[in-house]
Amino acid sequence: DAGITQSPRYKITETGRQVTLMCHQTWSHSYMFWYRQDLGHGLRLIYYSAAADITDKGEVPDGYVVSRSKTENFPLTLESATRSQTSVYFCASRDREETQYFGPGTRLLVL
Amino acid sequence: DQQVKQNSPSLSVQEGRISILNCDYTNSMFDYFLWYKKYPAEGPTFLISISSIKDKNEDGRFTVFLNKSAKHLSLHIVPSQPGDSAVYFCAASRRNRDDKIIFGKGTRLHILP
Repeated sequence: DAGITQSPRYKITETGRQVTLMCHQTWSHSYMFWYRQDLGHGLRLIYYSAAADITDKGEVPDGYVVSRSKTENFPLTLESATRSQTSVYFCASRDREETQYFGPGTRLLVL
Repeated sequence: DQQVKQNSPSLSVQEGRISILNCDYTNSMFDYFLWYKKYPAEGPTFLISISSIKDKNEDGRFTVFLNKSAKHLSLHIVPSQPGDSAVYFCAASRRNRDDKIIFGKGTRLHILP
């Protein structure tokens, strides 16, 4: 299917575990982004990527790792999950001057 | 330091009336502003945008006004409909400088029957 997809949609994990959230887009957009949405904080940028093999930190990057070996994929890894990383995570993509499109989100619970 | 501020966490409006959502920003380098709409359990969807060279942009029932001197923008929805009940995020970017879009905390709009 065309568009931007995220997997899994729901994830429960335990403190200290490694978790990877997947994001895939079919538009060949240059830019991809990871946000987290928390009550009282809105959407905060974690990491973004301007192209394959180019990534940069956003507002709240601590505890997260990203990679972009292929244009269409932008996985987000929590190396050692903490309870404060319980959140809803949104991936987004866009081309240089175009509208930014969001995925459906991944709801992560860290116990 | 919050660069994009939506000071009203929620707003209730009667169906058929005008909804006005407000947003303030602090960074005078922002040159592009957007509104996104979000339903529960879905990703945000783009609604309308405005460049800093304009002071108004209209798309159907939605109009965005930009006051650069006050660093303020507003989204007007006329007339408000039940399907407009959602969270609205104001966002801003520096299109010619970097590629990040900074979002506000959102305003939850309730359209009352």
